[in-house]
Amino acid sequence: QKEVEQNSGPLSVPEGAIASLNCTYSDRGSQSFFWYRQYSGKSPELIMFIYSNGDKEDGRFTAQLNKASQYVSLLIRDSQPSDSATYLCALTYSGGGADGLTFGKGTHLIIQP
Amino acid sequence: ETGVTQSPTHLIKTRGQQVTLRCSSQSGHNTVSWYQQALGQGPQFIFQYYREEENGRGNFPPRFSGLQFPNYSSELNVNALELDDSALYLCASSLSQGAGNSPLHFGNGTRLTVT
Repeated sequence: QKEVEQNSGPLSVPEGAIASLNCTYSDRGSQSFFWYRQYSGKSPELIMFIYSNGDKEDGRFTAQLNKASQYVSLLIRDSQPSDSATYLCALTYSGGGADGLTFGKGTHLIIQP
Repeated sequence: ETGVTQSPTHLIKTRGQQVTLRCSSQSGHNTVSWYQQALGQGPQFIFQYYREEENGRGNFPPRFSGLQFPNYSSELNVNALELDDSALYLCASSLSQGAGNSPLHFGNGTRLTVT
């Protein structure tokens, strides 16, 4: 059974600091990893995806994947109040399959002005 | 390029009733998947449709069913509604069957309340 674990928070970070969000998973067969941001009452919005071990940067966001340790993280540099949201970690088992995404419960991030 | 659109945005139904939710996929996307998100939880995969056939399903009972039409739009039908079916229902479209190959982009969702 595929499980995705996230600390539900809230995680409180001062404006301008680096926010670090973590996610662990149980299935070593997991291949593709995604971070979604969800504002209250809204649908999830894709931020980044990562397939290979290492870091992937996009603007203020960096995704980090370590398949040996079965964790994936998201760093948000220069955090802004508009980054306050719930961040969902998700994965798929197989890149070509139709088994959908498995999501964690999300981490509630609060950026303090 | 239009994104994924869902209708209605909100819906209130009574236990035991049936409901149909609709989704128009993003232009050029041939795969549609549906997710259920209960309050305080992450989305859970219901099923996926590719070329008008269901080709993947999560852990949901048969009273959850769907359709995909030739224009790739889709419907989610839920029969015999239960109180626990109250949730945000999300539709996502993608270019290929595997979410790993083509990241999902969600519509705005339908908020279903069952009383």
